[in-house]
Amino acid sequence: KQEVTQIPAALSVPEGENLVLNCSFTDSAIYNLQWFRQDPGKGLTSLLLIQSSQREQTSGRLNASLDKSSGRSTLYIAASQPGDSATYLCAVIFRNQFYFGTGTSLTVIP
Amino acid sequence: NAGVMQNPRHLVRRRGQEARLRCSPVKGHSHVYWYRQLPEEGLKFMVYLQKENIIDESGMPKERFSAEFPKEGPSILRIQQVVRGDSAAYFCASSPGGLDYGYTFGSGTRLTVV
Repeated sequence: KQEVTQIPAALSVPEGENLVLNCSFTDSAIYNLQWFRQDPGKGLTSLLLIQSSQREQTSGRLNASLDKSSGRSTLYIAASQPGDSATYLCAVIFRNQFYFGTGTSLTVIP
Repeated sequence: NAGVMQNPRHLVRRRGQEARLRCSPVKGHSHVYWYRQLPEEGLKFMVYLQKENIIDESGMPKERFSAEFPKEGPSILRIQQVVRGDSAAYFCASSPGGLDYGYTFGSGTRLTVV
């Protein structure tokens, strides 16, 4: 059984700060791992997708790493902005299913 | 090339009524997955369908919930005799041949039971 955990559940930081969101999963036999962003009452926006053979992916101020053997991923956000405020979801594809974490709710204070 | 279309975006039902949620996959995608996001919880798998077949319904509640994906038309998630605990966001994703082949999420339907 696959379980995905995200820490912290909530995070509040001042604008401009760099921050790290953590995701862990219990079974390392994943196909890939994906980070999503979800704004209140909205759908899912894909941020970064890391295939199981990859170690990291970067897009702009975002960098995601994957350590499959230890069952961990981190999402690094550089120079945070108020517009980054949202819930960040980590999900793995495992046995042809998505398993989602419960998310980290991020608030960036101007 | 439209993405996954879910409608309605918002649905309000009184307790005991039926709710029908529609998911039109990306053109050419024959696999559909439904997920439910309860308040303060993560998205949970409900059911996986291919055209005219249910492949995996292990996440679906045994009673009142059903899903179909007919040969023509959208996938339908049907909830009979809704209760307040059914209030949630329901998302669907489509894929051309299993998640290994890529996937697209819809924007979800937010069901409120009053």
